Amino acid sequence: AQKVTQAQTEISVVEKEDVTLDCVYETRDTTYYLFWYKQPPSGELVFLIRRNSFDEQNEISGRYSWNFQKSTSSFNFTITASQVVDSAVYFCALSEGNAGKSTFGDGTTLTVKP
Amino acid sequence: DAGVIQSPRHEVTEMGQEVTLRCKPISGHDYLFWYRQTMMRGLELLIYFNNNVPIDDSGMPEDRFSAKMPNASFSTLKIQPSEPRDSAVYFCASRLGNEQFFGPGTRLTVL
Repeated sequence: AQKVTQAQTEISVVEKEDVTLDCVYETRDTTYYLFWYKQPPSGELVFLIRRNSFDEQNEISGRYSWNFQKSTSSFNFTITASQVVDSAVYFCALSEGNAGKSTFGDGTTLTVKP
Repeated sequence: DAGVIQSPRHEVTEMGQEVTLRCKPISGHDYLFWYRQTMMRGLELLIYFNNNVPIDDSGMPEDRFSAKMPNASFSTLKIQPSEPRDSAVYFCASRLGNEQFFGPGTRLTVL
């Protein structure tokens, strides 16, 4: 059975601080995909990244970066120099195979204060 | 492209009625997903299609739920009969390669 744990329920930071959102997963498959999604207060879901289990290279996209470590089964997400617009609920998810049945974490609510 | 289009955006119905949610994926995307989000259960993947073929419907809660994708540009999620516990936001998403895009969601309320 697969499982995704986002231990941080809520995080509050002040603008310009760096913040890391943790994601730990469990799976017995050797081929799997990890995702991060953003859900701002408006309610829409925004896809941020999809990473397969064979690619452990860290990814950077602007102020966003992801650290994938198979040794610790973690796929953490860091926002550098946070902004108020980063305030949202962030979900980590795992799927087995190419698309597979996805399992979502419970989400981390990030609040960035001005 | 207009992105993933879902209709209706809001639906209020009474218990026992049939509900049909619609989704138009982004043109050219080969995967389509239906998700449900509730406070109690969080985000759940209900079913997904690849090239219009249902691949995994293990997330569909029960036989009252059915989904179809008659062509590459249209999918429906039907609930019959609807129950109050089906109240949720239903998201459709489409994907090509590593990029996945969500529709705005349909907020369903079953009274």
